[in-house]
Amino acid sequence: DQQVKQNSPSLSVQEGRISILNCDYTNSMFDYFLWYKKYPAEGPTFLISISSIKDKNEDGRFTVFLNKSAKHLSLHIVPSQPGDSAVYFCAASPYGQNFVFGPGTRLSVLP
Amino acid sequence: SQTIHQWPATLVQPVGSPLSLECTVEGTSNPNLYWYRQAAGRGLQLLFYSVGIGQISSEVPQNLSASRPQDRQFILSSKKLLLSDSGFYLCATDRALEKLFFGSGTQLSVL
Repeated sequence: DQQVKQNSPSLSVQEGRISILNCDYTNSMFDYFLWYKKYPAEGPTFLISISSIKDKNEDGRFTVFLNKSAKHLSLHIVPSQPGDSAVYFCAASPYGQNFVFGPGTRLSVLP
Repeated sequence: SQTIHQWPATLVQPVGSPLSLECTVEGTSNPNLYWYRQAAGRGLQLLFYSVGIGQISSEVPQNLSASRPQDRQFILSSKKLLLSDSGFYLCATDRALEKLFFGSGTQLSVL
């Protein structure tokens, strides 16, 4: 049973527009969430995090929104750039350890 | 700052052969260490984690084993590889701001 779901395997967005990547979780004990970006044949790199005491965290072009009641979070990238094309993973954990990852969403930003 | 060294970057092994992947961490002491695997078209699956020398926890039953002979060394092994062991293997450690910091990964192909 997947505890962290990313229901869109892929997403295509025009350069300059907003990319919205979604993530749902089932475990109500999860209280810390991460987003990672991964290029082929490389390790994932950290993008942004959010804890359950917040509903929004922003870092430059990246904003993560958390809806605890819906057990849903989303990553917004605006404006999207071709270099943002990668696989994005959502991860969740209780107490900030032993993160569970979603299956990933492949984002393609078209020039 | 912390760095993770993971090798080799690419490995092709026949079915039934042994495996040893090594990960070393610099710039920290007594780190939590993790082995993740990304199978083709799938998300990141936690295989093992270790909170100290000789302390290994397994998340999923499998054909692999892990060992931590030194504080900053984490080894992933198999006595006999299966086709299903193919994947991208990632070593990771905790890092304060990013929570999980990944190495560059090893692409293992079992033929």
